[in-house]
Amino acid sequence: GAVVSQHPSWVICKSGTSVKIECRSLDFQATTMFWYRQFPKQSLMLMATSNEGSKATYEQGVEKDKFLINHASLTLSTLTVTSAHPEDSSFYICSLQGATFDYGYTFGSGTRLTVV
Amino acid sequence: AQSVTQLDSHVSVSEGTPVLLRCNYSSSYSPSLFWYVQHPNKGLQLLLKYTSAATLVKGINGFEAEFKKSETSFHLTKPSAHMSDAAEYFCVVSDNTGGFKTIFGAGTRLFVKA
Repeated sequence: GAVVSQHPSWVICKSGTSVKIECRSLDFQATTMFWYRQFPKQSLMLMATSNEGSKATYEQGVEKDKFLINHASLTLSTLTVTSAHPEDSSFYICSLQGATFDYGYTFGSGTRLTVV
Repeated sequence: AQSVTQLDSHVSVSEGTPVLLRCNYSSSYSPSLFWYVQHPNKGLQLLLKYTSAATLVKGINGFEAEFKKSETSFHLTKPSAHMSDAAEYFCVVSDNTGGFKTIFGAGTRLFVKA
């Protein structure tokens, strides 16, 4: 099956700094990538969808200037949380979709972000 | 529009007894349905998926789910719970509209008692 590598697995940063989270597909070409965030004891909420070579599509209520998504290649997507604040502390998970829909979705192991 | 409802926020069973986690969905088109498990502070692991093939889907670790179109349900079951099954379970629906977006249910926390 597909293998997705997401890192860092956890990060602590100071308020006002930026944090970059990487999501790599190790063995297939990911045409579409999704970024989710999960607050404690809640479900995953889709933040944005990115397609290789084009701009990401953000869900309603997600600030695109705060959560920068780059999908520059078929194997790498990055999420940058800019000017982080404590309320951005969350669990962020990426998901990759292969070229065939029935292939399904593969999720990264997640990144726990704590902003202090 | 898609939606998914997990009917129980938490389920508690004794080890060795059956597990039933309920999920109902709505979708404008023929959906694909998935069950994922998440252990504390970990990512999601795919248990099984339904993508318009056999309605009874067998997954990993002894789990299975049955797609019932008439009831718009996709309940997850396991004949005998194990302590290691204690985790959060998410039912997910997706269809081929809007870029294959996935919609997650709110999750069901499974507790397994010794």
